[in-house]
Amino acid sequence: NAGVTQTPKFQVLKTGQSMTLQCAQDMNHEYMSWYRQDPGMGLRLIHYSVGAGITDQGEVPNGYNVSRSTTEDFPLRLLSAAPSQTSVYFCASSLSGGGLFNTQYFGPGTRLTVL
Amino acid sequence: AQTVTQSQPEMSVQEAETVTLSCTYDTSESNYYLFWYKQPPSRQMILVIRQEAYKQQNATENRFSVNFQKAAKSFSLKISDSQLGDTAMYFCAFMKYSGGGADGLTFGKGTHLIIQP
Repeated sequence: NAGVTQTPKFQVLKTGQSMTLQCAQDMNHEYMSWYRQDPGMGLRLIHYSVGAGITDQGEVPNGYNVSRSTTEDFPLRLLSAAPSQTSVYFCASSLSGGGLFNTQYFGPGTRLTVL
Repeated sequence: AQTVTQSQPEMSVQEAETVTLSCTYDTSESNYYLFWYKQPPSRQMILVIRQEAYKQQNATENRFSVNFQKAAKSFSLKISDSQLGDTAMYFCAFMKYSGGGADGLTFGKGTHLIIQP
């Protein structure tokens, strides 16, 4: 049971380039989400999904796209990277059965630098 | 919308001492969950302890316990017999109850806890 996995661990992009951050979980969790962590800011929710085919925006969605074609995978796409997207990105997942089943478990993070 | 405030950017204590990290939150929700996450230098987010707002009893997990004061909207974390491995960033987080489903977390800005040998 690998839990939540993220690839790559590190990435450097030039302004305007596109890329996809990968997130996968093998716990059959319905809920998946993406956060970004900036210095002194804590984590902020970008997008989330409550199941395959369903996605919604979080607090800071601009500049990011997501889709959820399977329960296991929830990729985050940057269509045209900007220096303001330099951050550490975390993927998280949880069951969706109410109560503390909703506790979210995090992947190891991806450190992205946009030059 | 809800907000989470951690008023102590950094704390430092000696090994084996007890330390309390503070967290306050603001919400109009009546049903919600509260969490403390630990982030060591490896940057992995690790769940420390969790609390359901409708439960009056404070949660405990080994050396970690919380003081949950719902009326005051306060959720502090107490670490007893602190160890060098407790050195990390600690984040307080809020999640509203969403009809049985999961929802996003709202995080505080974190407290950097340093345990001195």
